Amino acid sequence: EIVLTQSAGTLSLSPGERATLSCRASQSVSSGYLAWYQHKPGQAPRLLIYGASSRATGIPDRFSGSASGTDFTLSISRLEPEDFGVYYCQLFGTSPPMYTFGQGTKLEIK
Amino acid sequence: QVQLQESGPGLVEPSETLSLTCAVSGYSVSSGYYWGWIRQTPGRGLEWIGSMYHSGSTNYNPSLKSRVTMSVDTSKNQFSLKLNSVTASDTAVYYCARHSYYGSGSFQDYWGQGTLVTVSS
Repeated sequence: EIVLTQSAGTLSLSPGERATLSCRASQSVSSGYLAWYQHKPGQAPRLLIYGASSRATGIPDRFSGSASGTDFTLSISRLEPEDFGVYYCQLFGTSPPMYTFGQGTKLEIK
Repeated sequence: QVQLQESGPGLVEPSETLSLTCAVSGYSVSSGYYWGWIRQTPGRGLEWIGSMYHSGSTNYNPSLKSRVTMSVDTSKNQFSLKLNSVTASDTAVYYCARHSYYGSGSFQDYWGQGTLVTVSS
């Protein structure tokens, strides 16, 4: 079973700063199967990135994703106050079809 | 705009069956996509439960497979989850979500807001 580890529990940053969130897979995976979500209290989770680097519909271009081996990164170039929330990475596995989530990184806006 | 809304009892007794329904608006469940469930607990974070196609094809989390049943009601444009023999560890916020596939990858592009289910006597 592949485990996703999000290294930071909480990030506290100021508006305008750059946020870098990390997600590491316990073994080699296809980057095409990695997605990122934003989740705010009381709201539905929101898809941000799929295929490691493709932005979902309506997602601002300040959000970007990248992959290097088993390491995946979500970057937010210029933080806005509304970017607070918990960010999860997710991996899709095919044998059998299965989804695994990281434990989440809480992004606090100072 | 696709919208999903979960409904069902907020309290279930241990050993009983948890039953939830997800009403879909803005898209017909019989037009395509997989439809499924994900839950969130403080201890285990987000956990995928399973998904199904309107034709009846299902995929379940192996760790829950023996207790899970999903169904789709195309006439009401909704789908359902049943989880039997529940224990306190099944207490969670349950989300329904549309599962989208692209190439060989997949993700959930629309989610409900979630419903809290507590297992307790």
